Amino acid sequence: QVQLVESGGGVVQPGTSLRLSCAASGFTFSSYAMHWVRQAPGKGLEWVAFTSYDGRTKNYGDPVKGRFTISRDSSENNLYLQMNSLRGDDTATYYCARENFGYSSGYGTPNWGQGTLVIVTS
Amino acid sequence: QSALTQPASVSGSPGQSITISCTGTSRDIGNYKLVSWYQQHPGKAPKLMIYEAAKRPSGVSNRFSGSKSGSAASLTISGLLAEDEADYYCCSYAGNSTYVFGTGTKVTVL
Repeated sequence: QVQLVESGGGVVQPGTSLRLSCAASGFTFSSYAMHWVRQAPGKGLEWVAFTSYDGRTKNYGDPVKGRFTISRDSSENNLYLQMNSLRGDDTATYYCARENFGYSSGYGTPNWGQGTLVIVTS
Repeated sequence: QSALTQPASVSGSPGQSITISCTGTSRDIGNYKLVSWYQQHPGKAPKLMIYEAAKRPSGVSNRFSGSKSGSAASLTISGLLAEDEADYYCCSYAGNSTYVFGTGTKVTVL
């Protein structure tokens, strides 16, 4: 079955960097677009980043554009989120999520990881 | 990328039907049929309930239905059950491979 496992979260100081990973299994990773979505404590869901199935198309939410980079390694079935210049308002649980259908996007994400918590504090 | 607007809370008694609205703009919901809805219980990852505005993934109860009209979408839960008590979020494609979530709605079963 589809499994997504995030890792790499932790407590960091403002201005520093962190890289999140999402290990994918149970499906052909190279055929699916992927997303990062975050949720600040007690708040709603916020879309963070998207990568197409082949990694050629990427985009970001305005709050993270220019600071975060999404990437994927289809040889290792891993999705990444490089987060630089972290700020307090980046504190959140970060989820990776798989698109509904292969070679497409916009049709919802039926598969989510358990999330990894990032806390940015001095 | 402004968040889609949802009511903060909606409530209903068991067996009743409730509808959650999701209001966007011509840049997102108004321009695409790619609206999805998610259910999230406390401490859990979101669960996809509706995609492409009105389609249900396999395994999702047919008590959940979605629709879209103009720049707004809605999720209806019929035959409300205690287990439906959760937070619900809409999400729309907003062009150029970007997406936007709604502000979220807390559903309470009285």
